[in-house]
Amino acid sequence: GAVVSQHPSRVICKSGTSVKIECRSLDFQATTMFWYRQFPKQSLMLMATSNEGSKATYEQGVEKDKFLINHASLTLSTLTVTSAHPEDSSFYICSARDHETRSYEQYFGPGTRLTVT
Amino acid sequence: SQQGEEDPQALSIQEGENATMNCSYKTSINNLQWYRQNSGRGLVHLILIRSNEREKHSGRLRVTLDTSKKSSSLLITASRAADTASYFCATGANSKLTFGKGITLSVRP
Repeated sequence: GAVVSQHPSRVICKSGTSVKIECRSLDFQATTMFWYRQFPKQSLMLMATSNEGSKATYEQGVEKDKFLINHASLTLSTLTVTSAHPEDSSFYICSARDHETRSYEQYFGPGTRLTVT
Repeated sequence: SQQGEEDPQALSIQEGENATMNCSYKTSINNLQWYRQNSGRGLVHLILIRSNEREKHSGRLRVTLDTSKKSSSLLITASRAADTASYFCATGANSKLTFGKGITLSVRP
């Protein structure tokens, strides 16, 4: 149980285009999902907290107009990287907390490797 | 920032040996969690210890927490080659996790 999927797993896009990444909780409901970014051999940096039915809360330094987050249902959150540039190339990982158990544990997706050319 | 800081940054051991990884943090926490990440993959939750707990076990894993010293340790006993991965501690507060830089563990067969 407690599986989180991400799609796509890898994406290559041209500079200036937008890319949407989906994060789904497959067997549980998640009122809260998180989006992280990870550079090679570095830690995960929290970008934003996504709450179902409300606006996402962004961490300091993260541009909300560039990284659009939509949490439309209890099982789906999307991250759209708008007008992508090469410096946006990174590994994006989402996680979700189980709404029913209210556990502190976060269940992570497998990540999405974004390369902007 | 309450970012966890792990040490050592890299650890190489022989299969069968124990691996001990340490994590220190700066501010108050609700819980501390350890995760494993295989190269290029997502994170796998290993164990969670609450701020009012001092020690916890799960299979070959043993985690301790000393809130007075703001530190935690993760012990993996009888290591296996499959334990080769990066390990992160993450401090939990206000429903968010803050991750440390990670420890790269290599277990030689």
